Amino acid sequence: DAGITQSPRYKITETGRQVTLMCHQTWSHSYMFWYRQDLGHGLRLIYYSAAADITDKGEVPDGYVVSRSKTENFPLTLESATRSQTSVYFCASSDQGTQGTEAFFGQGTRLTVV
Amino acid sequence: GENVEQHPSTLSVQEGDSAVIKCTYSDSASNYFPWYKQELGKRPQLIIDIRSNVGEKKDQRIAVTLNKTAKHFSLHITETQPEDSAVYFCAASYGNQFYFGTGTSLTVIP
Repeated sequence: DAGITQSPRYKITETGRQVTLMCHQTWSHSYMFWYRQDLGHGLRLIYYSAAADITDKGEVPDGYVVSRSKTENFPLTLESATRSQTSVYFCASSDQGTQGTEAFFGQGTRLTVV
Repeated sequence: GENVEQHPSTLSVQEGDSAVIKCTYSDSASNYFPWYKQELGKRPQLIIDIRSNVGEKKDQRIAVTLNKTAKHFSLHITETQPEDSAVYFCAASYGNQFYFGTGTSLTVIP
């Protein structure tokens, strides 16, 4: 399917476990982003990538790791999950970053850390 | 970095009335301002955007205005319909990042 897809859609994990959220886009967009959405905070950027092998921190990067070995994939790893990382995570992609082009969002992953 | 504030956090209007959501931003270097609509349980989707060299943009019942001097921009929805009920987010681009407001939950009462 064309577009941007995330997996899994729902995940429950235990405190201290490592978990990876996957994001795949078929447009060959240069930029990809990871956001977390929490009530009262809107969407906050965790990490972004301007191209394969180029990543940079956003507003709330602590406790997360990203990689981008291929243009189409941008996985997000929680190295040791904590309850404060319970959230809905959205991946997004865009052709020209933030310079006047739309960012397309995936359908989201609801992560619960118990 | 950029700081985007959005008001109100909740808004209820009667069907057919207008709705206005306001955002302010802090850094004059921000140059692109998209608005996203997020229906319950779904992904955010772009509904309208405006660049810093434009003061107003309209698309059918939706319009966005930008005041660069005051650093604020607003979303206007006219003739609201029940399907407009959703959470709306404003955003400002700064560098390679989008900074989002905290969202406005709009309810259109039939």
